[in-house]
Amino acid sequence: GQNIDQPTEMTATEGAIVQINCTYQTSGFNGLFWYQQHAGEAPTFLSYNVLDGLEEKGRFSSFLSRSKGYSYLLLKELQMKDSASYLCAVSFYGGATNKLIFGTGTLLAVQP
Amino acid sequence: DVKVTQSSRYLVKRTGEKVFLECVQDMDHENMFWYRQDPGLGLRLIYFSYDVKMKEKGDIPEGYSVSREKKERFSLILESASTNQTSMYLCASSSGGASYEQYFGPGTRLTVT
Repeated sequence: GQNIDQPTEMTATEGAIVQINCTYQTSGFNGLFWYQQHAGEAPTFLSYNVLDGLEEKGRFSSFLSRSKGYSYLLLKELQMKDSASYLCAVSFYGGATNKLIFGTGTLLAVQP
Repeated sequence: DVKVTQSSRYLVKRTGEKVFLECVQDMDHENMFWYRQDPGLGLRLIYFSYDVKMKEKGDIPEGYSVSREKKERFSLILESASTNQTSMYLCASSSGGASYEQYFGPGTRLTVT
């Protein structure tokens, strides 16, 4: 079966660091994506990991451990505009092309 | 800049009506996807298409059909709308490789009364 777990909600303070975890069990694996989705808007791409380790992109970093089925998204120097839902998604080959299976998302609230 | 557009942001339909949702992408992507997004359930794949006239069922295809007559356009059809199809519908497109992210349209909030 396919299963992706991430916390439902998190709260953090402006200027702080927050880590959003994601664990997965999927029948195939071609990489892991993180998307950001502000309320009422479309998801937008943040990061992609296919090899173990940390990928850094400005204030955002994403980590992957394939053996543990685990990823996290690290947000540094939090800003109010980072209040959004963060979606973890696993890519796998679905017979005809690559597909994504999404977690339910983590709603992050950044407080002053 | 990749652009994915959807025909409506908000739509209200009655039970039993046939509903068409249209999606257009301008980046010559092979793949196009239709998802619905519901609170607590996340994004769930309804149908996807990997080429013109080629389509495959996703995880929740019941009550839906799709059409892809041109590469840039992917339509979702609700044959007979029901209240449990009230949801946010998101279209996405991507190139064929595993590392290529999906680009999402702004979504259509469909209410079936």
